[in-house]
Amino acid sequence: QSVLTQPPAVSAAPGQKVTISCSGSGSNIEINHVSWYRHLPGTAPKLLMSHTNKRPSGIPDRFSGSKTGTSATLAITGLQTGDEADYYCGTWDSSLSSVVFGGGTKLTVL
Amino acid sequence: QVQLVQSGAEVKKPGASVKVSCKASDFTFGPTSTFPTFGINWVRQAPGQGLEWLGWISAYNANANSPETVQDRVTLTIDISTTTAYMELRNLTSDDTAIYYCARGEVETADFDSWGQGTLVTVSS
Repeated sequence: QSVLTQPPAVSAAPGQKVTISCSGSGSNIEINHVSWYRHLPGTAPKLLMSHTNKRPSGIPDRFSGSKTGTSATLAITGLQTGDEADYYCGTWDSSLSSVVFGGGTKLTVL
Repeated sequence: QVQLVQSGAEVKKPGASVKVSCKASDFTFGPTSTFPTFGINWVRQAPGQGLEWLGWISAYNANANSPETVQDRVTLTIDISTTTAYMELRNLTSDDTAIYYCARGEVETADFDSWGQGTLVTVSS
Protein backbone atom coordinates (compact mmCIF):
# COMPACT_ATOMS: atom_id res chain seq x y z
CA GLN A 1 0.00 0.00 0.00
CA SER A 2 1.72 3.18 -1.22
CA VAL A 3 1.58 6.43 0.73
CA LEU A 4 0.93 8.34 -2.50
CA THR A 5 -1.97 7.29 -4.73
CA GLN A 6 -1.71 7.15 -8.51
CA PRO A 7 -4.10 5.67 -11.07
CA PRO A 8 -2.80 2.25 -12.15
CA ALA A 9 -3.09 3.09 -15.84
CA VAL A 10 -3.88 5.89 -18.27
CA SER A 11 -4.05 5.93 -22.04
CA ALA A 12 -4.42 8.38 -24.90
CA ALA A 13 -3.81 8.61 -28.62
CA PRO A 14 -0.63 9.92 -30.22
CA GLY A 15 -0.58 13.71 -30.28
CA GLN A 16 -3.06 14.00 -27.46
CA LYS A 17 -2.57 15.19 -23.87
CA VAL A 18 -2.62 13.00 -20.79
CA THR A 19 -2.45 13.83 -17.10
CA ILE A 20 -1.31 11.58 -14.29
CA SER A 21 -2.46 12.41 -10.78
CA CYS A 22 -0.67 11.80 -7.49
CA SER A 23 -2.64 12.16 -4.28
CA GLY A 24 -1.01 12.53 -0.89
CA SER A 25 -1.58 14.32 2.39
CA GLY A 26 -0.66 17.29 4.52
CA SER A 27 2.60 15.69 5.63
CA ASN A 28 3.97 15.08 2.16
CA ILE A 29 2.73 16.68 -1.06
CA GLU A 30 1.12 19.68 0.60
CA ILE A 31 4.35 20.89 2.19
CA ASN A 32 7.16 19.35 0.11
CA HIS A 33 8.31 19.33 -3.49
CA VAL A 34 7.12 16.55 -5.77
CA SER A 35 9.29 14.59 -8.20
CA TRP A 36 8.22 12.57 -11.21
CA TYR A 37 10.02 9.64 -12.80
CA ARG A 38 9.69 7.67 -16.01
CA HIS A 39 10.62 4.01 -15.68
CA LEU A 40 11.07 1.40 -18.36
CA PRO A 41 11.61 -2.27 -17.38
CA GLY A 42 15.27 -3.17 -17.19
CA THR A 43 16.45 0.42 -16.95
CA ALA A 44 16.96 2.91 -14.14
CA PRO A 45 14.19 5.42 -13.43
CA LYS A 46 14.71 8.81 -15.07
CA LEU A 47 13.93 12.10 -13.34
CA LEU A 48 11.33 13.96 -15.41
CA MET A 49 10.30 16.71 -13.02
CA SER A 50 12.03 18.05 -9.93
CA HIS A 51 10.86 20.55 -7.34
CA THR A 52 7.26 19.93 -8.51
CA ASN A 53 7.54 21.83 -11.81
CA LYS A 54 11.18 22.07 -12.90
CA ARG A 55 12.35 20.07 -15.88
CA PRO A 56 15.90 18.73 -15.67
CA SER A 57 18.16 19.42 -18.63
CA GLY A 58 17.13 17.41 -21.67
CA ILE A 59 13.49 16.91 -20.69
CA PRO A 60 11.24 18.45 -23.39
CA ASP A 61 8.65 21.07 -22.54
CA ARG A 62 5.91 18.59 -23.47
CA PHE A 63 6.23 17.53 -19.83
CA SER A 64 4.94 19.78 -17.06
CA GLY A 65 4.25 19.42 -13.36
CA SER A 66 1.92 21.15 -10.94
CA LYS A 67 0.58 20.86 -7.43
CA THR A 68 -2.58 21.96 -5.62
CA GLY A 69 -3.00 21.22 -1.95
CA THR A 70 -2.36 17.54 -1.34
CA SER A 71 -2.34 16.51 -5.01
CA ALA A 72 0.16 16.79 -7.81
CA THR A 73 -0.19 16.30 -11.54
CA LEU A 74 2.14 15.40 -14.38
CA ALA A 75 0.93 16.50 -17.80
CA ILE A 76 2.30 15.22 -21.08
CA THR A 77 1.27 16.88 -24.33
CA GLY A 78 1.91 15.80 -27.90
CA LEU A 79 2.01 12.15 -26.86
CA GLN A 80 4.43 9.90 -28.68
CA THR A 81 4.62 6.11 -28.72
CA GLY A 82 8.00 6.47 -27.08
CA ASP A 83 6.30 7.95 -24.01
CA GLU A 84 4.92 4.53 -23.09
CA ALA A 85 6.38 3.69 -19.68
CA ASP A 86 5.59 3.54 -16.00
CA TYR A 87 5.45 6.92 -14.28
CA TYR A 88 6.04 7.43 -10.55
CA CYS A 89 5.57 10.41 -8.27
CA GLY A 90 7.65 10.82 -5.14
CA THR A 91 8.15 13.27 -2.32
CA TRP A 92 9.44 13.63 1.23
CA ASP A 93 7.02 12.76 3.99
CA SER A 94 7.76 14.94 7.01
CA SER A 95 5.80 12.74 9.43
CA LEU A 96 7.41 9.48 8.33
CA SER A 97 10.83 11.11 7.76
CA SER A 98 10.97 9.09 4.56
CA VAL A 99 10.89 9.47 0.82
CA VAL A 100 7.57 8.05 -0.36
CA PHE A 101 6.48 7.02 -3.85
CA GLY A 102 3.21 6.42 -5.60
CA GLY A 103 2.37 2.96 -6.85
CA GLY A 104 3.12 3.94 -10.43
CA THR A 105 0.96 4.61 -13.50
CA LYS A 106 1.33 2.68 -16.74
CA LEU A 107 0.95 4.99 -19.73
CA THR A 108 -0.26 3.44 -22.96
CA VAL A 109 -0.21 5.45 -26.17
CA LEU A 110 -2.94 3.90 -28.29
CA GLN B 1 27.81 14.33 -15.26
CA VAL B 2 27.70 12.12 -12.17
CA GLN B 3 27.88 8.42 -12.93
CA LEU B 4 26.98 5.64 -10.51
CA VAL B 5 28.11 2.07 -11.20
CA GLN B 6 26.75 -0.74 -9.05
CA SER B 7 28.05 -4.20 -8.25
CA GLY B 8 26.75 -7.29 -9.98
CA ALA B 9 23.79 -9.56 -9.38
CA GLU B 10 23.60 -11.62 -6.19
CA VAL B 11 21.83 -14.82 -5.22
CA LYS B 12 21.36 -15.35 -1.49
CA LYS B 13 19.64 -17.84 0.76
CA PRO B 14 16.98 -16.79 3.27
CA GLY B 15 18.53 -15.47 6.45
CA ALA B 16 21.72 -14.35 4.73
CA SER B 17 22.98 -10.82 4.16
CA VAL B 18 23.81 -8.94 0.96
CA LYS B 19 26.04 -5.92 0.43
CA VAL B 20 25.64 -3.88 -2.74
CA SER B 21 28.17 -1.25 -3.79
CA CYS B 22 27.71 1.96 -5.76
CA LYS B 23 30.84 3.61 -7.18
CA ALA B 24 30.45 7.34 -7.93
CA SER B 25 32.36 9.29 -10.54
CA ASP B 26 32.54 13.10 -10.76
CA PHE B 27 31.03 13.32 -7.29
CA THR B 28 33.30 14.01 -4.32
CA PHE B 29 32.67 12.38 -0.95
CA GLY B 30 33.77 13.76 2.40
CA PRO B 31 34.52 17.22 3.86
CA THR B 32 35.85 18.53 0.54
CA SER B 33 32.58 17.81 -1.23
CA THR B 34 31.31 20.78 -3.22
CA PHE B 35 27.76 19.53 -2.70
CA PRO B 36 27.46 19.07 1.08
CA THR B 37 23.70 18.51 1.01
CA PHE B 38 23.92 15.66 -1.48
CA GLY B 39 24.11 11.99 -0.72
CA ILE B 40 23.28 8.55 -2.01
CA ASN B 41 19.80 7.10 -1.82
CA TRP B 42 18.92 3.43 -2.12
CA VAL B 43 15.69 2.40 -3.83
CA ARG B 44 14.40 -1.05 -4.74
CA GLN B 45 11.74 -2.49 -6.99
CA ALA B 46 10.41 -5.96 -6.32
CA PRO B 47 8.90 -7.94 -9.21
CA GLY B 48 5.59 -6.40 -10.25
CA GLN B 49 5.82 -3.77 -7.52
CA GLY B 50 6.54 -0.06 -7.34
CA LEU B 51 9.55 1.84 -6.06
CA GLU B 52 10.49 1.59 -2.39
CA TRP B 53 12.96 3.93 -0.68
CA LEU B 54 15.48 2.22 1.59
CA GLY B 55 17.40 5.20 2.89
CA TRP B 56 19.86 8.03 2.29
CA ILE B 57 23.42 8.58 3.38
CA SER B 58 25.22 11.89 3.27
CA ALA B 59 28.27 11.92 1.02
CA TYR B 60 29.57 14.76 3.19
CA ASN B 61 29.52 13.31 6.72
CA ALA B 62 27.95 9.83 6.40
CA ASN B 63 24.83 10.72 8.37
CA ALA B 64 22.19 8.20 7.32
CA ASN B 65 18.44 7.78 7.52
CA SER B 66 16.25 4.80 6.67
CA PRO B 67 12.51 4.17 6.93
CA GLU B 68 11.16 2.15 9.83
CA THR B 69 10.19 -0.68 7.46
CA VAL B 70 13.84 -1.69 6.98
CA GLN B 71 15.67 0.36 9.61
CA ASP B 72 16.63 -2.62 11.76
CA ARG B 73 17.96 -4.64 8.82
CA VAL B 74 19.75 -2.10 6.62
CA THR B 75 23.13 -0.43 7.05
CA LEU B 76 24.30 2.36 4.76
CA THR B 77 27.96 3.30 4.60
CA ILE B 78 30.37 5.22 2.39
CA ASP B 79 34.07 4.97 1.63
CA ILE B 80 35.37 8.47 1.06
CA SER B 81 38.67 7.35 -0.45
CA THR B 82 36.98 5.35 -3.22
CA THR B 83 33.76 7.44 -3.51
CA THR B 84 31.77 4.28 -3.05
CA ALA B 85 28.51 3.84 -1.17
CA TYR B 86 27.35 0.53 0.26
CA MET B 87 23.99 -0.87 1.25
CA GLU B 88 23.90 -3.98 3.43
CA LEU B 89 20.61 -5.77 4.02
CA ARG B 90 20.48 -8.52 6.64
CA ASN B 91 18.18 -11.42 7.44
CA LEU B 92 16.98 -11.70 3.86
CA THR B 93 13.62 -13.22 2.93
CA SER B 94 12.03 -13.91 -0.43
CA ASP B 95 10.28 -10.53 -0.12
CA ASP B 96 13.69 -8.88 -0.52
CA THR B 97 14.07 -10.24 -4.05
CA ALA B 98 14.25 -7.04 -6.10
CA ILE B 99 16.34 -4.76 -8.24
CA TYR B 100 18.28 -2.42 -5.98
CA TYR B 101 19.27 1.04 -7.22
CA CYS B 102 21.50 3.73 -5.84
CA ALA B 103 20.71 7.32 -6.79
CA ARG B 104 22.17 10.73 -5.96
CA GLY B 105 19.97 13.24 -4.26
CA GLU B 106 19.76 15.94 -1.63
CA VAL B 107 18.62 15.31 1.92
CA GLU B 108 14.87 15.11 2.47
CA THR B 109 13.86 15.29 -1.18
CA ALA B 110 12.81 12.78 -3.81
CA ASP B 111 14.80 14.52 -6.57
CA PHE B 112 17.28 11.82 -7.60
CA ASP B 113 19.23 13.17 -10.56
CA SER B 114 21.62 10.29 -11.28
CA TRP B 115 20.99 6.57 -10.90
CA GLY B 116 23.02 3.42 -10.92
CA GLN B 117 22.19 0.68 -13.39
CA GLY B 118 20.57 -1.51 -10.76
CA THR B 119 21.59 -4.73 -9.01
CA LEU B 120 19.34 -7.79 -9.02
CA VAL B 121 19.25 -9.52 -5.66
CA THR B 122 17.51 -12.88 -5.65
CA VAL B 123 16.68 -14.59 -2.36
CA SER B 124 15.95 -18.25 -2.83
CA SER B 125 16.50 -21.48 -0.95
